[in-house]
Amino acid sequence: DAGVIQSPRHEVTEMGQEVTLRCKPISGHNSLFWYRQTMMRGLELLIYFNNNVPIDDSGMPEDRFSAKMPNASFSTLKIQPSEPRDSAVYFCASSSDRTFFGQGTRLTVV
Amino acid sequence: GIQVEQSPPDLILQEGANSTLRCNFSDSVNNLQWFHQNPWGQLINLFYIPSGTKQNGRLSATTVATERYSLLYISSSQTTDSGVYFCAVEQGYKLSFGAGTTVTVRA
Repeated sequence: DAGVIQSPRHEVTEMGQEVTLRCKPISGHNSLFWYRQTMMRGLELLIYFNNNVPIDDSGMPEDRFSAKMPNASFSTLKIQPSEPRDSAVYFCASSSDRTFFGQGTRLTVV
Repeated sequence: GIQVEQSPPDLILQEGANSTLRCNFSDSVNNLQWFHQNPWGQLINLFYIPSGTKQNGRLSATTVATERYSLLYISSSQTTDSGVYFCAVEQGYKLSFGAGTTVTVRA
C-alpha cells in the first residue's frame, strides 16, 4: 500500500478563497482523522470519521471548515472562506489499530 | 482531558550515543503510540505499544501502563534520527499528543 495520500502538498491562497484538501486513506482502515499542526497549538484533531461517518467534529474551528467522506477511499477538508490564521500544516491520518499519517498539506493564506 | 508529558523537551546527541525519551500520562489509556516527525515534516509511526516492550532496529519502546509511562530508547544514534518524537495516548478513538522531544544528532 502507498500509505495515506494527501494532495496538494503545498497550497498558497488569498484570504477569502475556498481551499479543498484531499485525502486517500490506507485501504481497509475504517478510521480517518484530519489534524492541524501549528507551532503554537501543536497537533489538533479537527474531525474523526468511522466507516465514512463523522463521529466527532468538535475540533473543527468554526463553520468555515467542513469535511466529507463520500466513500471509504476519499475524504476532503474544505475551508471557505479562508483566513490567514488558517495557515498551518493539515494532516490526514487513517487507522485500524496503528495510526498512519499522510505527508501533510502546508497551507498558506495570504 | 488527559495530560501527556514528554521529557526532555530537547536533546542534543553526538552520533553513536544512546538516549532515553520519556512519556508520562495522567489517566488509563487503551493504547500508546510513538511517532517520529522528521525535518521534512513527515510523521512516521514507530511503535504501537499499549504495554510491554517492542524493538525495531536501533529503537525500542517500553510501556508500563499500570504506572502510566512509556520510554523510547534510541541506541547508536544517527543523524537521520534527528527530528521530533511524539508520544500519543489513545482513549476511545482519540489520540492525545504530547508536546514532543526535539532530538538533534550531531555528526
